[in-house]
Amino acid sequence: QVQLVQSGTEVKKPGASVKVSCKASGYTFTNYGISWVRQAPGQGLEWMGWISAYNGNTDYAQRFQGRVTMTTDTSTTTAYMELRSLRSDDTAIYFCARDPCSGNTCSSYWGQGTLVTVSS
Amino acid sequence: SYELTQPPSVSVSPRQTARITCSGDALPRQYSYWYQQKPGQAPILVIYKDSERPSGIPERFSGSSSGTTVTLTISGVQAEDEADYYCQSADSSGTWVFGGGTKLTVL
Repeated sequence: QVQLVQSGTEVKKPGASVKVSCKASGYTFTNYGISWVRQAPGQGLEWMGWISAYNGNTDYAQRFQGRVTMTTDTSTTTAYMELRSLRSDDTAIYFCARDPCSGNTCSSYWGQGTLVTVSS
Repeated sequence: SYELTQPPSVSVSPRQTARITCSGDALPRQYSYWYQQKPGQAPILVIYKDSERPSGIPERFSGSSSGTTVTLTISGVQAEDEADYYCQSADSSGTWVFGGGTKLTVL
């Protein structure tokens, strides 16, 4: 079965960087892209960007351009999201999500989330 | 930037029908998706491509589209359906956008 397992909780100081991993299993990794979505405490879902696991092409939300880098390692079927110059309002749960659709059918494949706390 | 607009909250009694709307200018041209999120959990896809239901999602969940508004309908609401619901679509360049979320309360 498809599984996305994310790395553990992170605590960072303002100005630092964080790199969250998302280990995929149960499907052909390079056939699907991975999106990253975050959720600040008590807030809604915010799409950060997407990466193709096939060729590494990326599409970042405008508000994160220049501060986020998404990568994949096909040898370990792992996706990574690095966010730099952290601020207190980057405190959030960060989720990875596989492209939901295969042909004409779709389903839900999300990681369990990684809490990133930014505090001095 | 492109926005999807949802009501902040909807309340319904058990066994009644809940309707949650989502409005956006690009919805006539882009598919919509609906996610259910319970506290402390990752979102779960309950409707895709406006009206299709993933395997394992109860039949009481349905979706529809009319012009710039899409609607998630939960027929015969159960207590376990109490959750936050998010619509998601894409702008003209294919970038994902989420609505602000609707808290469904089962009275």
